[in-house]
Amino acid sequence: NAGVMQNPRHLVRRRGQEARLRCSPMKGHSHVYWYRQLPEEGLKFMVYLQKENIIDESGMPKERFSAEFPKEGPSILRIQQVVRGDSAAYFCASSMYPGQGGISYEQYFGPGTRLTVT
Amino acid sequence: QKEVEQNSGPLSVPEGAIASLNCTYSDRGSQSFFWYRQYSGKSPELIMSIYSNGDKEDGRFTAQLNKASQYVSLLIRDSQPSDSATYLCAVPRGGGADGLTFGKGTHLIIQP
Repeated sequence: NAGVMQNPRHLVRRRGQEARLRCSPMKGHSHVYWYRQLPEEGLKFMVYLQKENIIDESGMPKERFSAEFPKEGPSILRIQQVVRGDSAAYFCASSMYPGQGGISYEQYFGPGTRLTVT
Repeated sequence: QKEVEQNSGPLSVPEGAIASLNCTYSDRGSQSFFWYRQYSGKSPELIMSIYSNGDKEDGRFTAQLNKASQYVSLLIRDSQPSDSATYLCAVPRGGGADGLTFGKGTHLIIQP
């Protein structure tokens, strides 16, 4: 049973270019989350999506960043006109509905994409 | 905004001893709590979830929750060098399906 998949694992972009990060959730999972971890800093929530819907994007910078989770295919985190400060590890996680009476949406993380902006 | 506090460490524990990791949270309404382990350069790995007061055991790991004190802890028995990692405490930002707010993590070192 494949876990959360992310690609690419490493991405190098020059300042001003676009970065596209992809995430395929675990089988059966319909909730996708993106997090960013800056060097020597904690893990920060960016956005929560379900199929074709952005549920919560309050953690995402308002400019240059966008996310989608289309009906078919992986979730995409897109960063336009990258700057050096965007260099970080970007993690995707997924969860599933825990069933009636359940409250714990356990999130499982992918291996991450390490973005380096030169 | 919900906050999660952890002692950053490093916490140094001799091999075979019990490692005790602590976490406090700000929102009394939080219902579920998660412990993740993150090795350097790797992604977080879920090791325990807990949402009822008391203890929950899974192998060498025990999570303890005290909602009245807004405190959750993780005990690791018979610590092994392979347990050396950063341990992250997390709570949902809102409801159970929401994104997580993480503490900054406690760096645990198991000394052989």
